[in-house]
Amino acid sequence: AQSVTQLDSHVSVSEGTPVLLRCNYSSSYSPSLFWYVQHPNKGLQLLLKYTSAATLVKGINGFEAEFKKSETSFHLTKPSAHMSDAAEYFCVVGSANQGGKLIFGQGTELSVKP
Amino acid sequence: EAGVAQSPRYKIIEKRQSVAFWCNPISGHATLYWYQQILGQGPKLLIQFQNNGVVDDSQLPKDRFSAERLKGVDSTLKIQPAKLEDSAVYLCASSFMDEQFFGPGTRLTVL
Repeated sequence: AQSVTQLDSHVSVSEGTPVLLRCNYSSSYSPSLFWYVQHPNKGLQLLLKYTSAATLVKGINGFEAEFKKSETSFHLTKPSAHMSDAAEYFCVVGSANQGGKLIFGQGTELSVKP
Repeated sequence: EAGVAQSPRYKIIEKRQSVAFWCNPISGHATLYWYQQILGQGPKLLIQFQNNGVVDDSQLPKDRFSAERLKGVDSTLKIQPAKLEDSAVYLCASSFMDEQFFGPGTRLTVL
């Protein structure tokens, strides 16, 4: 069985400071891991994905995530937050063994203060 | 390239009424998904199609929800009769390789 846990429901940072959104996963298979972002009244957009290549994955808008198998974690980071980063972020686990089915975490709402 | 299209964007109905949502995936994407996203939660897969066949509908409440993709392109999701707990955003996605592309969703409010 696969599952994903986002450790924080809400994170607040100041503009220009680092962002850390935490995610732990559980998977019986070799997982694919994703981070999606959802801005208000907009569709989900893929930020980055891990598919068993490099453990440090770079995505769009300066975000990156590191796959740590020993810790079963896939935390999302960004060195310097921008006001436009305020949104809901979802950590997602998927498996080609299950027809590409995705399982979403509960989401982390990121607020950015000026 | 056009994205995943969904309509309507918003729908308000009373409980026990029926409602239908439409999705047109990205051209050439064989796999289509419907998700339900309740406020404050992550999306949950309802049904997955590969062309016009169902791959996974294990989470679809089949007593009231139905979905079809007759020609392997666009798809319709129906709820009949609706319940209060069906209030949610219904997301459609299509995929190429291992990446899913999402539409803007339909926000359903059941009164």
